[in-house]
Amino acid sequence: ETGVTQSPTHLIKTRGQQVTLRCSSQSGHNTVSWYQQALGQGPQFIFQYYREEENGRGNFPPRFSGLQFPNYSSELNVNALELDDSALYLCASSFGGLGQETQYFGPGTRLLVL
Amino acid sequence: DAKTTQPPSMDCAEGRAANLPCNHSTISGNEYVYWYRQIHSQGPQYIIHGLKNNETNEMASLIITEDRKSSTLILPHATLRDTAVYYCIVRVGLNYGGSQGNLIFGKGTKLSVKP
Repeated sequence: ETGVTQSPTHLIKTRGQQVTLRCSSQSGHNTVSWYQQALGQGPQFIFQYYREEENGRGNFPPRFSGLQFPNYSSELNVNALELDDSALYLCASSFGGLGQETQYFGPGTRLLVL
Repeated sequence: DAKTTQPPSMDCAEGRAANLPCNHSTISGNEYVYWYRQIHSQGPQYIIHGLKNNETNEMASLIITEDRKSSTLILPHATLRDTAVYYCIVRVGLNYGGSQGNLIFGKGTKLSVKP
């Protein structure tokens, strides 16, 4: 059974640029959630995708957007990058979309915005 | 905001049991208690979860008080590899389309296992 994978592992961008992060869900899972973790803080929920539709969103601006594909992999896109977007971006996959299922996390993508 | 309160840090001797407390006094009847841990710069790792009854798996035991207002995660024989930040999370059981299914992390407890 393949776990959650994310790419790239590290990324450096400059302010104003756009970035796309990718996540492959664990085999058999149909739900992907994205989290942002700033240094020294716990992860914060960005949004969740279930069967290719957004299924809940945290307190993040519209320049954070996402996609889920028919194979349940997912992308997180961030436009107009700001310095405060520097963080570890985590995706977690689960099965069901009903909320009570256990989420399993990938290793994360560390983004640095200069 | 996180609905849980945890001590910011704890120490444990290698080979001894680590008992990590969590207060969740406002927990609702349909909310589960989840525990994750995060080893430095890695993704959070699921440990265990429960609703009312005590739970045990190969990693840990979860003891939930009868009134469900607090719980304790027990690592029976802590090793140096158990050094991590441990997060206690309260989460609703069912999501009918909102964002209730997300995990709300606090700052967790930094557990240091010492030789």
